[in-house]
Amino acid sequence: SQQGEEDPQALSIQEGENATMNCSYKTSINNLQWYRQNSGRGLVHLILIRSNEREKHSGRLRVTLDTSKKSSSLLITASRAADTASYFCATVSMNSGYSTLTFGKGTMLLVSP
Amino acid sequence: NAGVTQTPKFQVLKTGQSMTLQCAQDMNHEYMSWYRQDPGMGLRLIHYSVGAGITDQGEVPNGYNVSRSTTEDFPLRLLSAAPSQTSVYFCASSSGSTSGRYFGPGTRLTVL
Repeated sequence: SQQGEEDPQALSIQEGENATMNCSYKTSINNLQWYRQNSGRGLVHLILIRSNEREKHSGRLRVTLDTSKKSSSLLITASRAADTASYFCATVSMNSGYSTLTFGKGTMLLVSP
Repeated sequence: NAGVTQTPKFQVLKTGQSMTLQCAQDMNHEYMSWYRQDPGMGLRLIHYSVGAGITDQGEVPNGYNVSRSTTEDFPLRLLSAAPSQTSVYFCASSSGSTSGRYFGPGTRLTVL
């Protein structure tokens, strides 16, 4: 079953605008990760935030984590057409001593020139 | 480094046929996993391995077998293909089970 649920399912913005995607999850986690998938391609790891962290930055990406609300957000600042892709959150939880990564259904982001 | 490689890129099978999807990584990662991606369903974990000789089931293991004889390779076997197994299959590796994953380019499988 999906652990993370992204919101919105689809987002359309203009170049230069900021894009915010949200993720909610259900159970306790070790960390939460965000991935990008361009059409027809494999997933690319963007950023990982641990359960004891509240905010993390990487270039134009800003991720927040609120473990009390079991939610995370991904902010892409000054979006570019090349940011057009699907974005997935994924959570790491412990499973019989080994951690597994569980994905949400993703947010499709369209950035128009 | 080639990263994570998958072969074939595309495959069409008839119901009941068997085949093996190949996955290899050259990063000396202990942790490898297989996912399937279906429209509207996101990615679902099929099987994973924490090292050579150690595998375990994920969320949707039925109809699939795996083995891990070397650190580099983690093949996925479809025993008797069914139309429900039509999907895009991704292999991923990481240095640890809590680390970010490196994904392969995927295999698009159609079962008729």
